[in-house]
Amino acid sequence: SAVISQKPSRDICQRGTSLTIQCQVDSQVTMMFWYRQQPGQSLTLIATANQGSEATYESGFVIDKFPISRPNLTFSTLTVSNMSPEDSSIYLCSVILLATSTDTQYFGPGTRLTVL
Amino acid sequence: AQSVTQLDSQVPVFEEAPVELRCNYSSSVSVYLFWYVQYPNQGLQLLLKYLSGSTLVKGINGFEAEFNKSQTSFHLRKPSVHISDTAEYFCAVKGNTPLVFGKGTRLSVIA
Repeated sequence: SAVISQKPSRDICQRGTSLTIQCQVDSQVTMMFWYRQQPGQSLTLIATANQGSEATYESGFVIDKFPISRPNLTFSTLTVSNMSPEDSSIYLCSVILLATSTDTQYFGPGTRLTVL
Repeated sequence: AQSVTQLDSQVPVFEEAPVELRCNYSSSVSVYLFWYVQYPNQGLQLLLKYLSGSTLVKGINGFEAEFNKSQTSFHLRKPSVHISDTAEYFCAVKGNTPLVFGKGTRLSVIA
């Protein structure tokens, strides 16, 4: 497997502000994804982070609200913009490793966001 | 598109008793199947996966799951649970899209 780190691990933010979450992997990856886990809920895919091009967003998620960057194979950021209390969730980075021949997705530890 | 149904939202079980967590899926294409575990205040850890071959797959911590194509199921089992198995368990399916998750089953092991 690989070590997937996320920064920050948690944050408390005021409504109307923005937070950028970083995901760093210590191995090369083929695919990177961002998921959201609302309190007591399952995981929902926000978008696929594409290297060097715009992310591919799932229904219900838009670039203006969740801009994503992926400047290289091992790093991506997710920004939660103009936050409201409904954005309080755990945000998880997920990757498929280049070294593995399967489509197994591994997850980072998550960023726990609370919006007041 | 793929979808996953976890039939039980909560499963209480006494320590050292067996447990089965149920998972059914729907897909129009061939899929890979996964179980992940999430301990309190932690991220997701891969428990086991079915990609191909033997339909009985063994994972970490003594868990196993059996892929049943005719019943479109991938139930998770453990013959004897421990207090430390208390966690949220997620079944997930991957076809031609990224992972799609079920709603999760909270396993509570009672001493």
